[in-house]
Amino acid sequence: GQQLNQSPQSMFIQEGEDVSMNCTSSSIFNTWLWYKQDPGEGPVLLIALYKAGELTSNGRLTAQFGITRKDSFLNISASIPSDVGIYFCAGQLFRGNTPLVFGKGTRLSVIA
Amino acid sequence: DGGITQSPKYLFRKEGQNVTLSCEQNLNHDAMYWYRQDPGQGLRLIYYSQIVNDFQKGDIAEGYSVSREKKESFPLTVTSAQKNPTAFYLCASSGTGVPETQYFGPGTRLLVL
Repeated sequence: GQQLNQSPQSMFIQEGEDVSMNCTSSSIFNTWLWYKQDPGEGPVLLIALYKAGELTSNGRLTAQFGITRKDSFLNISASIPSDVGIYFCAGQLFRGNTPLVFGKGTRLSVIA
Repeated sequence: DGGITQSPKYLFRKEGQNVTLSCEQNLNHDAMYWYRQDPGQGLRLIYYSQIVNDFQKGDIAEGYSVSREKKESFPLTVTSAQKNPTAFYLCASSGTGVPETQYFGPGTRLLVL
């Protein structure tokens, strides 16, 4: 099946630092989504992007839908300990109620 | 409270046994999905259903079966044909409005005895 290349795989940062992670694909996607997953829980939606070039913020989080529609990035500013978790990008090839394709995740650890 | 519920939280399967994982949503969403998550991996699609009484295979459907008799419910059966069933199973749903964003349940962890 389709795959998304998500990087980095893991990050160790100091509290207060900014974080950047990204996702790339060989295919064009119509929607990009970013989720956060805590251990033993389901993913929680952070940001959804629907248009090429779109830049959307949610508090300290900012994500962009790449102009080529083959990539997306997520930035977290001024990280705090509760940002710890696994961040997944997901792409949707077709609009409507269709499945998502997921990256393998970026595991974020924050050192206080 | 609107949302997606999955039960049980943990499930143990003996060799050769079929087990069924429950997924219920009260969001009035038309579509429901089952994903499997293995350690260090992204989510992989097992089955999905866009409407009642209809469902489609995903990338890793072998050894699994589903039914969609009610809009609110999309149970997943892990059959004895699934040789490596130990994983975290996640159910999701999405609606017909814009955006058709997927929301996830809390997951069921399946372990083989």
